[in-house]
Amino acid sequence: GENVEQHPSTLSVQEGDSAVIKCTYSDSASNYFPWYKQELGKRPQLIIDIRSNVGEKKDQRIAVTLNKTAKHFSLHITETQPEDSAVYFCAASSEGGKLIFGQGTELSVKP
Amino acid sequence: DTGVSQDPRHKITKRGQNVTFRCDPISEHNRLYWYRQTLGQGPEFLTYFQNEAQLEKSRLLSDRFSAERPKGSFSTLEIQRTEQGDSAMYLCASSYSRNTEAFFGQGTRLTVV
Repeated sequence: GENVEQHPSTLSVQEGDSAVIKCTYSDSASNYFPWYKQELGKRPQLIIDIRSNVGEKKDQRIAVTLNKTAKHFSLHITETQPEDSAVYFCAASSEGGKLIFGQGTELSVKP
Repeated sequence: DTGVSQDPRHKITKRGQNVTFRCDPISEHNRLYWYRQTLGQGPEFLTYFQNEAQLEKSRLLSDRFSAERPKGSFSTLEIQRTEQGDSAMYLCASSYSRNTEAFFGQGTRLTVV
């Protein structure tokens, strides 16, 4: 069935370092891959997304890469700041447009 | 428009009772999704609507769950005969179309005692 695997489940970095979160998906028909940030007690909010006709997308300190052949996509955060600390979820679109989410990565940026 | 809103924010109910949650999407959004999130997990898909039509319901969803979106505007999610395992955050999201940004509401936290 449809599945998205996300790693690592927790990630701790020093302020200023880079953070990388990786996801794999199972549905070869998936063509939309958003990343959401969820702070404690708050709603998930989109930080970046990528469509299958693009291999890489960048927005300031955040970038996402997509390898459709391998069914992998990754989130890269450079120059991390304490306010980047949160849980990050990857997702892949599935039939009809619903999103299948990964299990989440709890990122901790230590000052 | 202030975004997706959900009501109530919190609900505590006794096992066996029925509960109903409401979601008001962003007004021009055609698609409305319901997800369930438990602690430490990603949102799990429950069902979604395009306008008033319910297009898919998760196979994992028990018959005790039902959702409606009359007139393609707000949506309700009802859980009948609640069980302790139903305790979770129920999230609603809406989007303009397929494969566009889905905006989430703040969720309804259900606790079944």
